[in-house]
Amino acid sequence: GENVEQHPSTLSVQEGDSAVIKCTYSDSASNYFPWYKQELGKGPQLIIDIRSNVGEKKDQRIAVTLNKTAKHFSLHITETQPEDSAVYFCAVITQGGSEKLVFGKGTKLTVNP
Amino acid sequence: DTEVTQTPKHLVMGMTNKKSLKCEQHMGHRAMYWYKQKAKKPPELMFVYSYEKLSINESVPSRFSPECPNSSLLNLHLHALQPEDSALYLCASSHPTRPSTQYFGPGTRLLVL
Repeated sequence: GENVEQHPSTLSVQEGDSAVIKCTYSDSASNYFPWYKQELGKGPQLIIDIRSNVGEKKDQRIAVTLNKTAKHFSLHITETQPEDSAVYFCAVITQGGSEKLVFGKGTKLTVNP
Repeated sequence: DTEVTQTPKHLVMGMTNKKSLKCEQHMGHRAMYWYKQKAKKPPELMFVYSYEKLSINESVPSRFSPECPNSSLLNLHLHALQPEDSALYLCASSHPTRPSTQYFGPGTRLLVL
């Protein structure tokens, strides 16, 4: 089955710096790559997603890049703010007719004021 | 509106109790999901309902019994749970035209004593 590796597991940055989280996947047929943000005590919130026919997508301070050849995608957060502190999960949709999300293990991001 | 609601927020139950978790969405989504999330882990898929029919059961023990009474509601009936079943139970839903894009509720924090 699909395997998703996410790095780093923890990331600490100063307010205003950039943060980058990387994920790799194993199934070359996968074609949908969402990122979720989960704050303490809350459910995961979809923050950005990308499909395989696009190499990059940006939404204000967050962006996602996809390299299908290398089978990896990354989340970029610029001008980080304390409210960006959360656990971030990458995910991949497996193929074969079922809409099953396979998640990475998560990255705990801490933005220090 | 991308809101999925879940009740109750917190639940404490003994191993002999019967309880139910409820999930509701009014976004016209026709796929609904139950996930289990342990602390510091990603969500794990339990069940998928598509057009009110169970389409995926990830080999979940029979002490968890899902039900989808209509297109807006999803229940998870709990009976004879074990302490290791304590976790955050998340509901999610997705639209028929974009089944990959799943929106999560805030979860029910379950403690089994």
